[in-house]
Amino acid sequence: DQQVKQNSPSLSVQEGRISILNCDYTNSMFDYFLWYKKYPAEGPTFLISISSIKDKNEDGRFTVFLNKSAKHLSLHIVPSQPGDSAVYFCAASANRGSTLGRLYFGRGTQLTVWP
Amino acid sequence: GAVVSQHPSRVICKSGTSVKIECRSLDFQATTMFWYRQFPKQSLMLMATSNEGSKATYEQGVEKDKFLINHASLTLSTLTVTSAHPEDSSFYICSATSGVLYGYTFGSGTRLTVV
Repeated sequence: DQQVKQNSPSLSVQEGRISILNCDYTNSMFDYFLWYKKYPAEGPTFLISISSIKDKNEDGRFTVFLNKSAKHLSLHIVPSQPGDSAVYFCAASANRGSTLGRLYFGRGTQLTVWP
Repeated sequence: GAVVSQHPSRVICKSGTSVKIECRSLDFQATTMFWYRQFPKQSLMLMATSNEGSKATYEQGVEKDKFLINHASLTLSTLTVTSAHPEDSSFYICSATSGVLYGYTFGSGTRLTVV
């Protein structure tokens, strides 16, 4: 039962343009969402997160948007660079106070940024 | 920032032997460790959650007698794959957290190949 879904296994974008990666979730208890970047045979690298009390969080070229009513979030990368080419995972958790719950991951989207 | 050191990065073992994977939090106390497994082009699947000094909580379908998890201190957790078989070949990743303020920190992963 996939509670976090990334329906696009791949995305190809030209350098300089915007990359938009999408993620949907089913569990309304999720209140913390994260995006990770991952290369083969390496651990995930944290990119950006958003709490359910917000609908947007921005960090440099990365912006995450959260639409709670649609149970949808997206990661925008602008401008895209060839070094952004990697697999991007969306993850979510339901936290209890100051304790972090387990993460649920999507299947990932392979982003390729071409020159 | 927070660092989790995971060793070994890759290991090849013979069928029937046991393999131990270590995860150490280098600059923070990890109250909770998560162990994940990733098959090629698949999502990260949670195997178990361990809290320091307590028995690990295993996800459905994960054999606790096969995948032994020890979290004896706030900086070290180990996963031992006992009597390994070729189907145990996978990429194993640990993640540590000490609470909401600190987020999740991932190790670099261990590629296990059982021959």
